[in-house]
Amino acid sequence: QTVVTQEPSLTVSPGGTVTLTCASSTGAVTSVNYPNWYQQKPGQAPRSLIYSTTNKHPWTPTRFSGSLLGGKAALTLSGVRPEDEADYYCLLDFSGTWVFGGGTKLTVL
Amino acid sequence: EVQLVESGGGLVQPGGSLRLSCVVSGFTFSSYWMHWVRQSPGRGLLWVSRINTDGTITNYADSVKGRFTISRDDAKNTLFLQMNSLRADDTGVYYCVRGEMAAPGTDFWGQGTMVTVSS
Repeated sequence: QTVVTQEPSLTVSPGGTVTLTCASSTGAVTSVNYPNWYQQKPGQAPRSLIYSTTNKHPWTPTRFSGSLLGGKAALTLSGVRPEDEADYYCLLDFSGTWVFGGGTKLTVL
Repeated sequence: EVQLVESGGGLVQPGGSLRLSCVVSGFTFSSYWMHWVRQSPGRGLLWVSRINTDGTITNYADSVKGRFTISRDDAKNTLFLQMNSLRADDTGVYYCVRGEMAAPGTDFWGQGTMVTVSS
């Protein structure tokens, strides 16, 4: 069974930069895993931020960016704002079966 | 405005069945892949299933394969999830999610419907 791993928690200061990563138990994450990233705040449905590694939706703030980094998918937040405090999930495609990571709780402090 | 509205959740006994529906509006339903995603109470997200535009391709998470069936009725702008042999660990909020058209991924989410499997 494929396992997707994210940092359980990260803390960042307002205005700072933080990178969240997403690793696969099957090996390096590549573009054919089509990494997606989601933000979820308490009591709300998740919101899609990034699809297919780097692509943003019209509502995705410019301070969010997606990439591949050292065999992992990565979500970088630059110029972090207090409202970015949330849970973040990655989603990877394994030949038609998609698997979420366990999520990263991002604290802005 | 894109809208996805789930329904059909509720309390069901272990071993029972339930059929979830997701009525969509604001876009051409037949042009999009669709997904179901589950979130168990206080826990993370589980991708459950997806279906392609004409219903000929379906994929499932290992934990639901053989028990759940995804389908769609384009005439009614409705996505379904038939859930059989339900277990306690199937409990959670089930979200209907639209596939992103430009490349593999998703974009819009519904607000979810709660399923509780308990005796």
